[in-house]
This record gives sequence, structure tokens and C-alpha cells, in this order.
Amino acid sequence: GAGVSQTPSNKVTEKGKYVELRCDPISGHTALYWYRQSLGQGPEFLIYFQGTGAADDSGLPNDRFFAVRPEGSVSTLKIQRTERGDSAMYLCASSVAGGPYEQYFGPGTRLTVT
Amino acid sequence: KQEVTQIPAALSVPEGENLVLNCSFTDSAIYNLQWFRQDPGKGLTSLLLIQSSQREQTSGRLNASLDKSSGRSTLYIAASQPGDSATYLCAVVSKTTDSWGKFQFGAGTQVVVTP
Repeated sequence: GAGVSQTPSNKVTEKGKYVELRCDPISGHTALYWYRQSLGQGPEFLIYFQGTGAADDSGLPNDRFFAVRPEGSVSTLKIQRTERGDSAMYLCASSVAGGPYEQYFGPGTRLTVT
Repeated sequence: KQEVTQIPAALSVPEGENLVLNCSFTDSAIYNLQWFRQDPGKGLTSLLLIQSSQREQTSGRLNASLDKSSGRSTLYIAASQPGDSATYLCAVVSKTTDSWGKFQFGAGTQVVVTP
């Protein structure tokens, strides 16, 4: 079956602009996670959805970052007033349910803020 | 606070040698540990998931062990091939109430297998 997909694969934007990153989880997976990975580092947790609700958003760095999952499937990570420090790989993962289950990752979106 | 460490940061071996990759964590109260492979500029591919009640998991040439009491996991890759060249990451889910389901990752070990 289809895995986790993310679009776009690459996004270049200017400082101060607004961007949206999309994640399509594996069909039937109720839990969805967003992570951010800087060069040479492991991914860092941003936010976790169980169904339509954000069960844990403790990793969002500030109020410029926001994520939604209105129908419990596709999720969008939104970044306002982008800064050069937001440049990173943004990874999405899904699992069959919330909790300590195997997570399946998408190919990521490489965001570059110039 | 859980800390996950992978040493060494980089490793180069000749083709055919066995690879041994280490992952250590500071808090032994974990639900599970997962090993991933990441190719340059790509997402993560799941290799093995070990539940806290398990001591090891095997898949083909891969074997991962877990010793919770010492806070360590080891990934063994037998008879390495150039195609095994990648960064290998480990991640744990801790039992603290604020960590339900979210992984904490190490920084990874970058592996190069030379022909």
C-alpha cells in the first residue's frame, strides 16, 4: 500500500513569507507526528495528532508554527513570518494508533528560507 | 530528561565486515526503541522496532539488541555491502507522561562501506 507522502519535496521561500507543508499519512493511521531535522542532527518532535486533535504540541518552537488535521487524515504544518533559522527538513510520520507503536516516515520536505 | 546518544558519529568499514552501531539512553523507563536508516536528503526508513519487553529483534542481516538496565541498544549488520552506506538513527519512546508516542532521537551514526 501507499506510504506516507509529503508535499512539496522542496520549498524555497524568502524571509518573512508564509509557507504550508502537507502530509498524507498511511490510510487508516489515526496518529500523525511532525518532526524537524537540522543538518547533522536527529529529528526533533514538533507536534502529535490523535485523530483531528493535537494531543501534544509541546515541540512547536513558537507561535509562528501551527498545524491542523481537520478531517483526521491529511495534516498541514503552517509557518508564518519565516526566518532563516526555520530552514530544515520537516518530516511527517504516522502510526496505527497513538502511543508507542512503530512510526512510518515520509520522504520529508526540505525548507530553505533565504 | 531522556538523552539519546550515538557513538561514533561516523564509521567507515570495508565491504564484508560486520557493522556494530551503538545507541545509549539515560532513562531506562522506555516503551520501545526503533532503529532507522536515512539516505542523504531523504526521509527515514524503519529497520527494526524493539518493545521494552524484548531483548532482540532480527530481520535478514540485521539484528538489534536491547538492554534496558544499562540503557543500551546495539544494531548489528552482518556482511556489510556498499548499499548499506547511510546514516543510522535510533529513537526511544519514554514512559514519562509527556512523552506518549513521541520519539526522542539520537544524532545518528554515518556509515560508509567501501568496496
